[in-house]
Amino acid sequence: EAGVAQSPRYKIIEKRQSVAFWCNPISGHATLYWYQQILGQGPKLLIQFQNNGVVDDSQLPKDRFSAERLKGVDSTLKIQPAKLEDSAVYLCASSLGRREAFFGQGTRLTVV
Amino acid sequence: AQSVAQPEDQVNVAEGNPLTVKCTYSVSGNPYLFWYVQYPNRGLQFLLKYITGDNLVKGSYGFEAEFNKSQTSFHLKKPSALVSDSALYFCAVRFLPKTGGYNKLIFGAGTRLAVHP
Repeated sequence: EAGVAQSPRYKIIEKRQSVAFWCNPISGHATLYWYQQILGQGPKLLIQFQNNGVVDDSQLPKDRFSAERLKGVDSTLKIQPAKLEDSAVYLCASSLGRREAFFGQGTRLTVV
Repeated sequence: AQSVAQPEDQVNVAEGNPLTVKCTYSVSGNPYLFWYVQYPNRGLQFLLKYITGDNLVKGSYGFEAEFNKSQTSFHLKKPSALVSDSALYFCAVRFLPKTGGYNKLIFGAGTRLAVHP
């Protein structure tokens, strides 16, 4: 079974630039999550999709972050414009119902 | 507020000794509980879960965890630590918010396990 795929693995951008991350979940997993993991901290949920609908985006900084999951499969997370404090690892995960979530390898974003 | 606490930033243990990584939680209802491990530059890898039933659950790589409902704890254990177990460990809880909506999956801040030869 293929795991959760994320790209790119690493990205360096200047502040105020925009960036996008892509995630392809495990086939058949209706729930997709984007987490932000700042160095030394646990993952923080940014947004959660059930199929192609958003079920939780309470911690997403909506003035600069956006995400979509067209057709209920793969997803894109965008930051525009980026700030220095957005430097983090962005993790995508998927799950089947309330079972365990499976994570991709993450995208390490550095904003300079 | 709903939360997961991992009270130790780091746990040090000698190879061959038993290890315990602690986790307590404060959430509504009957949560599902999980442990994940993270190696450098990798995503989180699922270790084990508690949903219902026996309070002692077994998982990957010889790890086990004990659920204690009265103490709202879910501590990770291993009888004999290996140097290769050195990594970052995260406790996670899935619960239904009192305010309704969909189930949430939240994580603790993580505990770094260092196993010394």
